[in-house]
Amino acid sequence: AQKITQTQPGMFVQEKEAVTLDCTYDTSDQSYGLFWYKQPSSGEMIFLIYQGSYDEQNATEGRYSLNFQKARKSANLVISASQLGDSAMYFCAMREGPLLQGGYNKLIFGAGTRLAVHP
Amino acid sequence: DAMVIQNPRYQVTQFGKPVTLSCSQTLNHNVMYWYQQKSSQAPKLLFHYYDKDFNNEADTPDNFQSRRPNTSFCFLDIRSPGLGDAAMYLCATSRDRGARNTQYFGPGTRLTVL
Repeated sequence: AQKITQTQPGMFVQEKEAVTLDCTYDTSDQSYGLFWYKQPSSGEMIFLIYQGSYDEQNATEGRYSLNFQKARKSANLVISASQLGDSAMYFCAMREGPLLQGGYNKLIFGAGTRLAVHP
Repeated sequence: DAMVIQNPRYQVTQFGKPVTLSCSQTLNHNVMYWYQQKSSQAPKLLFHYYDKDFNNEADTPDNFQSRRPNTSFCFLDIRSPGLGDAAMYLCATSRDRGARNTQYFGPGTRLTVL
């Protein structure tokens, strides 16, 4: 079963407007982390923002904020005041907590949303 | 200052000719990962090192190997590259493997196989 769903393959927004990129996830773990990454055409994967499953406040980092709705299992990224340089692919990712028997859980990525910012 | 460095940024190799990609980090993180990313897809984890402990993903082809001689450096060796191995290869690091540990990525090496 797909654990991270990004339903918007592509989005566009006008410069200086706000935009929301959707992400829903599926887990039965109580402990998990949610991450958003930006990948410009150069290919580098840039970490934007993190939300822990136990965090009560929505995470914010500059123009990025994460709209975390735990009951709905959604972790949407909000970019305020879009800039031309925000045009990129955006990946939502999740990592579940440690396994009881030891070992590890992988960082699981969604399929990504390509954002285009228009002047 | 760059924290995760990958060299080279672009690599061209011939079909079947071994190639090595390099990754170094200044974060002193315990974990180093190698991902393969093909066009318009999410990154796919190949393997990772947790300190000196190598962890291979079940579906990673034997053609892909890795070495971590010390905390700072990790190498990806492709023994006999095929056309299907052309991709972006991303190195990442994290302090630990828990749910709260952010992975920081390098700029990637774009591999072309002729």
